[in-house]
Amino acid sequence: EAQVTQNPRYLITVTGKKLTVTCSQNMNHEYMSWYRQDPGLGLRQIYYSMNVEVTDKGDVPEGYKVSRKEKRNFPLILESPSPNQTSLYFCASSHRRGDIYGYTFGSGTRLTVV
Amino acid sequence: AQTVTQSQPEMSVQEAETVTLSCTYDTSESDYYLFWYKQPPSRQMILVIRQEAYKQQNATENRFSVNFQKAAKSFSLKISDSQLGDAAMYFCAYRKDNNDMRFGAGTRLTVKP
Repeated sequence: EAQVTQNPRYLITVTGKKLTVTCSQNMNHEYMSWYRQDPGLGLRQIYYSMNVEVTDKGDVPEGYKVSRKEKRNFPLILESPSPNQTSLYFCASSHRRGDIYGYTFGSGTRLTVV
Repeated sequence: AQTVTQSQPEMSVQEAETVTLSCTYDTSESDYYLFWYKQPPSRQMILVIRQEAYKQQNATENRFSVNFQKAAKSFSLKISDSQLGDAAMYFCAYRKDNNDMRFGAGTRLTVKP
């Protein structure tokens, strides 16, 4: 089954403790992206990747890191999480950045930073 | 940057009735794509319908249809014969070739039995 797999689904952590949210897709998509969803703000892009070893900032990149060492994986790293990073996170992928068919989304990660 | 505005944070509809969700966007482009995504309580983002800006004909998918007004930069979603399973958050999104998708703030739809 074609899908984007995100883990974990829920995560509660403490301020300053490094964490990684994993994202993997099995569709051979070149393009992958991370979004955060907050009430009243919709989905905002954090980082995106056009292909292996090619990443760039989205609208809200502060406090986040990403890497794209393999085509299928695009982990999101929070080196020192803070409470304002409490949010719902989505990984998404598509064949290319301007894919007219839209994204395939992961099932989301609910992160709480206390 | 392009912006997408959903002016209705919440909407409700009676089961079997019709409801329309509004979306406007700001762009100087002539060729782009518009989408409606549904997010049920499971949190999964589900593509409901999409529209290519160069097509004058409004897209339809079963009970879901859009009213695309290019000059007015409006892209509303009509849900006919509403069902309990339609209750969800709905997001309008805009995408230009070789650019990232931009989302509105969302409209939470409640369906009353």
